[in-house]
Amino acid sequence: GENVEQHPSTLSVQEGDSAVIKCTYSDSASNYFPWYKQELGKRPQLIIDIRSNVGEKKDQRIAVTLNKTAKHFSLHITETQPEDSAVYFCAASPNFGNEKLTFGTGTRLTIIP
Amino acid sequence: GAVVSQHPSWVICKSGTSVKIECRSLDFQATTMFWYRQFPKQSLMLMATSNEGSKATYEQGVEKDKFLINHASLTLSTLTVTSAHPEDSSFYICSARDLLSSSRTSYNEQFFGPGTRLTVL
Repeated sequence: GENVEQHPSTLSVQEGDSAVIKCTYSDSASNYFPWYKQELGKRPQLIIDIRSNVGEKKDQRIAVTLNKTAKHFSLHITETQPEDSAVYFCAASPNFGNEKLTFGTGTRLTIIP
Repeated sequence: GAVVSQHPSWVICKSGTSVKIECRSLDFQATTMFWYRQFPKQSLMLMATSNEGSKATYEQGVEKDKFLINHASLTLSTLTVTSAHPEDSSFYICSARDLLSSSRTSYNEQFFGPGTRLTVL
């Protein structure tokens, strides 16, 4: 089955700086890669996703890059703000999300004011 | 749109009792629902995939007789934790996917419920 690894497990950055979280996956059949933000005790919220036919996608301060050959994808948050502090999870799924998601282990991001 | 609710939001029960958790899609028909378990400071682990009108598919290591899943309608799936024990204490989250609507956001997004925190004494 799919195995998704995520690094780092914790990340602290100064407000205004950029944050990068990286994930690798094992199953070459995976072609849909969403990123979720989860605040303590709350539901995961989709913040951005990407399909395997695209190498990069951007939405305001958030971007995701995908290297299908190397089987890794990354989340980039620029101009970080205190409200970006949360746990972030990457995930992978085959069949463009029509099948189950396999989640990474999560990254606790802390933005230092 | 695309709202998923869960009930209850939290529950405390005695060891040996059974607890039922409901997951509802409020404004769309969910042909597939997923049940996850999340222990403190850990990731979401898929327990089972629930398809309307058919038996759930359980992940390896998840006891189907202990975690009973029913998806009797296109808007409701239930998870029953039978004979709960303290080690079952966790955050249980459902998600629902709408394959029928083309107006949803990208790529068959899964919409998550708010979660149910189960504490077994």
